Amino acid sequence: KNQVEQSPQSLIILEGKNCTLQCNYTVSPFSNLRWYKQDTGRGPVSLTIMTFSENTKSNGRYTATLDADTKQSSLHITASQLSDSASYICVVPRMDSSYKLIFGSGTRLLVRP
Amino acid sequence: GAGVSQSPSNKVTEKGKDVELRCDPISGHTALYWYRQRLGQGLEFLIYFQGNSAPDKSGLPSDRFSAERTGESVSTLTIQRTQQEDSAVYLCASGTLGGSEQYFGPGTRLTVT
Repeated sequence: KNQVEQSPQSLIILEGKNCTLQCNYTVSPFSNLRWYKQDTGRGPVSLTIMTFSENTKSNGRYTATLDADTKQSSLHITASQLSDSASYICVVPRMDSSYKLIFGSGTRLLVRP
Repeated sequence: GAGVSQSPSNKVTEKGKDVELRCDPISGHTALYWYRQRLGQGLEFLIYFQGNSAPDKSGLPSDRFSAERTGESVSTLTIQRTQQEDSAVYLCASGTLGGSEQYFGPGTRLTVT
């Protein structure tokens, strides 16, 4: 079982609508959680990094939340744009290394006009 | 360039052939990472370089895989006697010493026929 699980696997929304992507992790001890955006044919780009002491962190129209007690994180996208169509990946460092990252399989988001 | 670059962007090879994938990290980044991303799956860690040495090769799936880095810059990932299961996108990332952020290249899509 993957230590980082994401849902939904894919999502289609209309332009302008909001959406929330979920991430559950079991990695322990926990140091930080990252959300990446990966456009088709490109490498992942960091959206936000959250430490265990942070509950909410925003980056423009992206807002990430973290509940370290329940080991859940969410990524909320507000007023979606066509350019938001991408895969969104939740990432947690392995407990035995800060650089070995465990990647979720991602949520593939498609924003339609 | 300002970002991580990889070449080739696409590579199609016949089963049994050797391939070399190249990564040019961001100038000054001492840490370099290789990942593999199979279709629909999360990124898998392959190898980590700190400078020119690789303290962690634990992710290399078999002895057909090897990597080197020279001049604390360019890295090459070599896959010998390629198999169809090697088909994937190979991503390279770089980062600063002690830094937690990893900056990804666009990847090389390898197809083994």
